[in-house]
Amino acid sequence: NAGVTQTPKFQVLKTGQSMTLQCAQDMNHNSMYWYRQDPGMGLRLIYYSASEGTTDKGEVPNGYNVSRLNKREFSLRLESAAPSQTSVYFCASSLAGPYNEQFFGPGTRLTVL
Amino acid sequence: GDSVTQMEGPVTLSEEAFLTINCTYTATGYPSLFWYVQYPGEGLQLLLKATKADDKGSNKGFEATYRKETTSFHLEKGSVQVSDSAVYFCALSRSGGNTGKLIFGQGTTSQVKP
Repeated sequence: NAGVTQTPKFQVLKTGQSMTLQCAQDMNHNSMYWYRQDPGMGLRLIYYSASEGTTDKGEVPNGYNVSRLNKREFSLRLESAAPSQTSVYFCASSLAGPYNEQFFGPGTRLTVL
Repeated sequence: GDSVTQMEGPVTLSEEAFLTINCTYTATGYPSLFWYVQYPGEGLQLLLKATKADDKGSNKGFEATYRKETTSFHLEKGSVQVSDSAVYFCALSRSGGNTGKLIFGQGTTSQVKP
C-alpha cells in the first residue's frame, strides 16, 4: 500500500519548456488535488477533481492544466513553464466530502530557469 | 473569502517546553478545521481535526479546540521533544458539498532544541 506517489521528485526546466507531473493513489479515493507550496504562503490549491471525470479550478490555476486519467491517477501539466512556477508541488487524495483527511504525496521540487 | 491566519514563526523552544501555535480563521458557515504537520523533506500529514464547534481534536500529545466565538483553533502541546521540530499548518474545509478543498494558513515552523 504505497499511498500517494508522485513523479518526478526533482525537475529543472528552462523557460518555455513543458512537462507533466504524475500522481497516483492506491486508496480508492474519489477526490484528488494539486497544490503548490511557496515560502511564507502555505499551500495553495491549483486544481482539484472531486470525482473521476470531473476537474475544477482552485485558487491559482493559471498556467496549468490537469487530467483525471482514471480513479487512481491525476496529472498536472505545465504547457510553457515560467520562473514564477518554481515551487514544490504536492498531490493529495481523500474520500469525498469536507470532513475527510487528505493524504499527501512526497512532493515534486520544480525549478524553472 | 475564506482564509486562515497563523502566527509568524519560527517558534524556538527547549525540550519539555509548552508549545502554542495560534490559528484564526474567517469563513462562512461551519467549516471543519485541521492541523497538518510537515517534517523536513516530506509531504504533509494530518495531525488532528475538529468538525464542529467546541470539538477538541487530539493526537500524539497535541490538542486543539474549535472555538467558534473567537474563530480560533490554536494548537498546543504540553511538553515538546526535538522530534516535534516541523512546520505546522492550520487549514479549513467548508461544510457542504462533496469536495474537501482545503484553505491553508502560511505555516509556522517550530524548532525544538535539546
